[in-house]
Amino acid sequence: GESVGLHLPTLSVQEGDNSIINCAYSNSASDYFIWYKQESGKGPQFIIDIRSNMDKRQGQRVTVLLNKTVKHLSLQIAATQPGDSAVYFCVRDNDMRFGAGTRLTVKP
Amino acid sequence: DSGVTQTPKHLITATGQRVTLRCSPRSGDLSVYWYQQSLDQGLQFLIQYYNGEERAKGNILERFSAQQFPDLHSELNLSSLELGDSALYFCASSVDDRKNYGYTFGSGTRLTVV
Repeated sequence: GESVGLHLPTLSVQEGDNSIINCAYSNSASDYFIWYKQESGKGPQFIIDIRSNMDKRQGQRVTVLLNKTVKHLSLQIAATQPGDSAVYFCVRDNDMRFGAGTRLTVKP
Repeated sequence: DSGVTQTPKHLITATGQRVTLRCSPRSGDLSVYWYQQSLDQGLQFLIQYYNGEERAKGNILERFSAQQFPDLHSELNLSSLELGDSALYFCASSVDDRKNYGYTFGSGTRLTVV
């Protein structure tokens, strides 16, 4: 089975709202997690990463939170825009598996 | 442009045929990964090469094979093609074997088997 799993296969939000995509992992062997965004017909694109010595990392409009106690991480997108519509994957560094991802749809 | 180059972008072929997909990794990257993505499916990991050697295998069929050449480009060979092999095939590269800096993906090859 997957060592990381996204909680919801789909997420629909209103433009301008904040989005939260959640991901759980099953063991603590990894010290590095990466979020990818895949737009339709394109290859996945690196968004943001986080190492296990951090609890939070911020990028431009995106924040990743890592809770090692409950083995959970989340990707928060502020002021979601139509261009954020895509499939999002969370991946561990030593695991090549991407899983099915969460499809984010932004409604105008 | 991600720096990972995949050719061809599109390929249409008949069942039973054999095709070769090519990938040039980003400059400086030693690892190459191949993924298959069928319609509305997640990315299925096929195989990884690091500096010319096979490093990890995923859900790769026996009809499929790959190799990485001394110049680090990689080829994915798909033979005895079936309709179900129609998919997007992505190549990704990373600096090292432990993928400590994530993957960089190419734009993919869309294979249609008719």
